[in-house]
Amino acid sequence: EDKVVQSPLSLVVHEGDTVTLNCSYEVTNFRSLLWYKQEKKAPTFLFMLTSSGIEKKSGRLSSILDKKELFSILNITATQTGDSAVYLCAVDAGGTSYGKLTFGQGTILTVHP
Amino acid sequence: DGGITQSPKYLFRKEGQNVTLSCEQNLNHDAMYWYRQDPGQGLRLIYYSQIVNDFQKGDIAEGYSVSREKKESFPLTVTSAQKNPTAFYLCASSMVTHSNQPQHFGDGTRLSIL
Repeated sequence: EDKVVQSPLSLVVHEGDTVTLNCSYEVTNFRSLLWYKQEKKAPTFLFMLTSSGIEKKSGRLSSILDKKELFSILNITATQTGDSAVYLCAVDAGGTSYGKLTFGQGTILTVHP
Repeated sequence: DGGITQSPKYLFRKEGQNVTLSCEQNLNHDAMYWYRQDPGQGLRLIYYSQIVNDFQKGDIAEGYSVSREKKESFPLTVTSAQKNPTAFYLCASSMVTHSNQPQHFGDGTRLSIL
């Protein structure tokens, strides 16, 4: 059974702090790993990672994948209150079922002013 | 604007009643998905469809049914057989290609038992 585990489950920081969110996985047929941000309703897409060691960046957010150790990290530098959200990690385990994602539990990030 | 529209935003179900959640997309995506989100459990896949008139069970399909008669629409019925339906339901869609494409989500429907 495919499995995705995120840690920590929740995190409270102050504005300006840097945070690292972790995602480990055990799947039979890895195609890609995705990060989403969920504030109130719809998860919004952040990154898709398919290759080890290649960092993806978008502003203050960055992410990297290690396919040997089966994990990914999401870094947020200089956090702002608008970064408060649930961050979801998901793995596309591929095969003939394109896009069939297995999600982790999510990390609840709270940024205080 | 292109996107995924879920309705209603809130839905209440009486015991023994079937209810249907709507999901419509105008992104011309081939694949559509239904997820259930419970606190502390992330998203779990209920059903998915990669092409019109075809769909597959996900990890928690029992007590649910779907149809895919049109590319744009993928309604989910929560039947009376689903004994714990209270949850947040999310619909998603994506292109189906040999290269990876991310799923995009609607704003969700929150279902509660009366």
